[in-house]
Amino acid sequence: AQTVTQSQPEMSVQEAETVTLSCTYDTSENNYYLFWYKQPPSRQMILVIRQEAYKQQNATENRFSVNFQKAAKSFSLKISDSQLGDTAMYFCASSNTGNQFYFGTGTSLTVIP
Amino acid sequence: DTAVSQTPKYLVTQMGNDKSIKCEQNLGHDTMYWYKQDSKKFLKIMFSYNNKELIINETVPNRFSPKSPDKAHLNLHINSLELGDSAVYFCASSQVIRVTGELFFGEGSRLTVL
Repeated sequence: AQTVTQSQPEMSVQEAETVTLSCTYDTSENNYYLFWYKQPPSRQMILVIRQEAYKQQNATENRFSVNFQKAAKSFSLKISDSQLGDTAMYFCASSNTGNQFYFGTGTSLTVIP
Repeated sequence: DTAVSQTPKYLVTQMGNDKSIKCEQNLGHDTMYWYKQDSKKFLKIMFSYNNKELIINETVPNRFSPKSPDKAHLNLHINSLELGDSAVYFCASSQVIRVTGELFFGEGSRLTVL
């Protein structure tokens, strides 16, 4: 089984600033995927970004980027130029090739105007 | 078109009642899931079906019974509802063969047991 740990239950950031959310995971798999999901107050789960473990290059999606450290089993999410709409719960997740998904406990991010 | 749709979105009922939540996906995925999200926002896997076959059945009371009539549908039936069943239930789907690695979620169904 895999475990995913998010050690920051709550974080806040000023609008337009940059914030980094931490995530570590533990797996014995060689091939796996990592994800960040966003859950705004509307409760819809939205995929923010994903990373294939075999790819060394860090994934980026507009203002969102990850710092994937495979040896350290670390997968942090950086949000640049934070916007009010980024206020949400953020979940880190991993999945193996059998498509079992493992979620962290979430980080509640508040963007302050 | 909604990729993963679940109904109803909200459900308020009395203890002891039986209720069902329906889920349908139009993505052609071969695997569907039910997750429970409690008041602390923890997401817990309940069941997973691959091509109508149960592949994950976590420790869930047997009052919860999933049913998959075909690979596009995974319904959740709950008998004898208890206060602790109050939560948001998410249906999700993914593709195992030729893995894209993404889990698609429905909008969630908020169940309140009084």
